[in-house]
Amino acid sequence: QKEVEQNSGPLSVPEGAIASLNCTYSDRGSQSFFWYRQYSGKSPELIMFIYSNGDKEDGRFTAQLNKASQYVSLLIRDSQPSDSATYLCAVNRGSNYKLTFGKGTLLTVNP
Amino acid sequence: GAVVSQHPSWVICKSGTSVKIECRSLDFQATTMFWYRQFPKQSLMLMATSNEGSKATYEQGVEKDKFLINHASLTLSTLTVTSAHPEDSSFYICSARTSGRSGGGELFFGEGSRLTVL
Repeated sequence: QKEVEQNSGPLSVPEGAIASLNCTYSDRGSQSFFWYRQYSGKSPELIMFIYSNGDKEDGRFTAQLNKASQYVSLLIRDSQPSDSATYLCAVNRGSNYKLTFGKGTLLTVNP
Repeated sequence: GAVVSQHPSWVICKSGTSVKIECRSLDFQATTMFWYRQFPKQSLMLMATSNEGSKATYEQGVEKDKFLINHASLTLSTLTVTSAHPEDSSFYICSARTSGRSGGGELFFGEGSRLTVL
């Protein structure tokens, strides 16, 4: 069983719509959860992190965590073409910052 | 935010040669740096954890004699791919952790180094 699973996509949404990205993880001991955005040929950049169950909002982005279901999601409101990228979910068991990444979901926002 | 710089961004080498990639934290001291490898359409795979002043900790399946890591100062870690072969062609990415006031800190990624071995 893969440790961090994401639908590889591509997920295609029209401009202005809500994009919903999902991630499941297998290690119940995971404590912190991260969403990164990666443009083609570039390194990842952090969008959000979440530690506690529930929702965390930052601008157009909302991360949702459900530890009981081992599920974390990222919602992007008012999607823009510039949001088109691969979104990587990453989890960390402890505080050592050794992240385990999923394969990523390719998001395409159509003008 | 903190800046992590990698050099070179691109490198092409012949099979059998060694290649060194540098990772620098430009405006903070990083006691811990991480090296990742990413193949096309794959996730980032952690190769090793680099600790300043001590030996690197390698993940299972990563050959420590092939991927030499040196973390000689608080701002510089290097990864040397020794006797590179075409299957080593990949995108190598480093990340560095800031200290943080309460022992936490943040993780910042370098721009990545794309290695092509002919």
